[in-house]
Amino acid sequence: EPEVTQTPSHQVTQMGQEVILRCVPISNHLYFYWYRQILGQKVEFLVSFYNNEISEKSEIFDDQFSVERPDGSNFTLKIRSTKLEDSAMYFCASSVEQLNTEAFFGQGTRLTVV
Amino acid sequence: ELKVEQNPLFLSMQEGKNYTIYCNYSTTSDRLYWYRQDPGKSLESLFVLLSNGAVKQEGRLMASLDTKARLSTLHITAAVHDLSATYFCAVDSTGGFKTIFGAGTRLFVKA
Repeated sequence: EPEVTQTPSHQVTQMGQEVILRCVPISNHLYFYWYRQILGQKVEFLVSFYNNEISEKSEIFDDQFSVERPDGSNFTLKIRSTKLEDSAMYFCASSVEQLNTEAFFGQGTRLTVV
Repeated sequence: ELKVEQNPLFLSMQEGKNYTIYCNYSTTSDRLYWYRQDPGKSLESLFVLLSNGAVKQEGRLMASLDTKARLSTLHITAAVHDLSATYFCAVDSTGGFKTIFGAGTRLFVKA
C-alpha cells in the first residue's frame, strides 16, 4: 500500500543550526502539508503546498521555515536556525486532491533541539 | 479564525461500555475528519465527513456531522481495549488548504 515516508525518523541538532526534514509523498498526490506536534500536545498546521507554491501557512511558519519540492518526488521542510521550542514531531502529509479526501500522514520526524 | 474544540480531553472507560466524543468548531466548514493516533505513532485516518447529516461507521466507531450546529460526534459502541488511543477531529478552513486539529481525546479502555 502506498505510504508517505519521512526521513530521518529522529534528528538531534544544536540550537541555531539548520535542519532539513525530508518527505516522499504518495506518488499521485498533488497536495502536500507539514504539521508539527509538540510532545503530548495537539497537531498544529504549518503549511500546505500545491503546484510548486505555498497555498497557505500558519503563524508558526515564519521566516525561519521554508518548504521545497526540489525534484518532483521529495518535499522538504527547512528550519534555518533552530530554537529549543522547535523540538517536536514533524509530520508530512499528502492528499490526492484538495476537496473530499483525507490526508495521509507519514510516520513523522522527531526533532530534538539541544 | 477557525477553532476546534474536543471534549472530553481524557476518557477512561470500561470494556463493553458506550461513549461519545464531541467536536465543536467555530466557523463554517463542510469537511471534518477523525484521526486516531497511537502513542509515538502517526495519524491514521478514520473518517471523512463531507456534508450535513453525514454518518459513517467502521466497526465499533460511528461518526456524524451536523454542519448547522458545527458539531461532530464520534460514538464508541461496546468499547474494547484495542480502541485505546488518542482521537483527533480536524476541520478544514474555508478554501480547504488549512486543517485545524482539536486538542485530541485520550481514550483508555480498561479490560
